[in-house]
Amino acid sequence: EVQLVESGGGLVQPGGSLRLSCAASGFSFSSYWMHWVRQAPGKGLVWVSRIKSDGTNTGYAGSVKGRLTISRDNAKNTLYLQMNSLRAEDTAVYYCGRGLPGAYGMDVWGQGTTVTVSS
Amino acid sequence: QSALTQPPSVSGSPGQSVTISCTGTSSDVGSYNRVSWYQQPPGTAPKLMIYEVSNRPSGVPDRFSGSKSGNTASLTISGLQAEDEADYYCSSYTNSNTYVFGTGTKVTVL
Repeated sequence: EVQLVESGGGLVQPGGSLRLSCAASGFSFSSYWMHWVRQAPGKGLVWVSRIKSDGTNTGYAGSVKGRLTISRDNAKNTLYLQMNSLRAEDTAVYYCGRGLPGAYGMDVWGQGTTVTVSS
Repeated sequence: QSALTQPPSVSGSPGQSVTISCTGTSSDVGSYNRVSWYQQPPGTAPKLMIYEVSNRPSGVPDRFSGSKSGNTASLTISGLQAEDEADYYCSSYTNSNTYVFGTGTKVTVL
């Protein structure tokens, strides 16, 4: 079964750091672009970042550039999101998503992990 | 990058058709056939319904269709069913090599 499972969310103080993980199974992880998307409580989806299958190309939304870093370990079939200098507005459910092969869109999503930034 | 504009809500009776619009700019929707649509029932993860404007992934009913004209993309649900009640989001690739989502539309089946 194709599956993505996020972990690492929690409560963190403003200015703090957190690393999210997304464990992939059931498919050839190293062949796919991967994305992070977030959703603040009661709000809409917001694209955060993406990374090429081999990790050589990354992209970020302007609101997170310089504070959040996407990476991957293809040997461990795991995607990461390192979150630094966290702000209250980073509070959200964070989803990882698999990029469609050879097309644009995200065809597999995890269940999400919740990050709360509060003192 | 501003969010793409969607109507907050649309509604219809079972069997009817509803259309959700998604308006962007010449920097995103208008420049690329890289618009996708996602369905998100409450408390669940999004599900891909349409990719690259009008393509349906396997398993998505053919009641769902997509189109685009200029800076506006559209999702049409024909033969509305109770199970279609959910939030729907469009998304587009942009000329900044990023993605942007729409503001979201709540579909209510009356």
